[in-house]
Amino acid sequence: DSGVTQTPKHLITATGQRVTLRCSPRSGDLSVYWYQQSLDQGLQFLIQYYNGEERAKGNILERFSAQQFPDLHSELNLSSLELGDSALYFCASSTRNRGQVLNSPLHFGNGTRLTVT
Amino acid sequence: AQSVTQPDIHITVSEGASLELRCNYSYGATPYLFWYVQSPGQGLQLLLKYFSGDTLVQGIKGFEAEFKRSQSSFNLRKPSVHWSDAAEYFCAVLNAGGTSYGKLTFGQGTILTVHP
Repeated sequence: DSGVTQTPKHLITATGQRVTLRCSPRSGDLSVYWYQQSLDQGLQFLIQYYNGEERAKGNILERFSAQQFPDLHSELNLSSLELGDSALYFCASSTRNRGQVLNSPLHFGNGTRLTVT
Repeated sequence: AQSVTQPDIHITVSEGASLELRCNYSYGATPYLFWYVQSPGQGLQLLLKYFSGDTLVQGIKGFEAEFKRSQSSFNLRKPSVHWSDAAEYFCAVLNAGGTSYGKLTFGQGTILTVHP
């Protein structure tokens, strides 16, 4: 058990809809990362937050947004869903901030499997 | 931009046989490299990492990996595979600078099937 909790485990929704994925990081971890795992793109970094602030952005679509709350949990919002958004979405946490990368590995949750029909 | 290539999409081995999973990376500076394993229905678990020093690194579950700068490779090995090793394996390189500091770039993954 990595200590990172993601809910829900599975989500099935229709095109055009909006969903929210939730992540609770390990106790004490201030950084949260979101990754998308799809068959054609593999594991893609989406976005990182550290202590409530956006730190880095990857291949995140404009239809997607995220935030990290004062209690450090994070939500990934996916809107105007398309069939191609079907994927496994992972959250990872670490203690890292700039300068601490090498000493604080990522701990991944079990993911949320999103199916868009 | 950094990239990671895992040339083998699917590998099948017999239980007890040796294993080598290939990983090639592209990165402008000294790479920080990782191997993760993803079992069915599970998140990604860190197997081992290379930051510097000894080019042969030991990880959990009896895995090891060797960093070869001249070949831009970081292949994962295990002398004797167990049925419980069946999973998907991901090689990753860490971005240690720039605007994507701390971002992991993953390879496409290698699915390992173990035959009894």
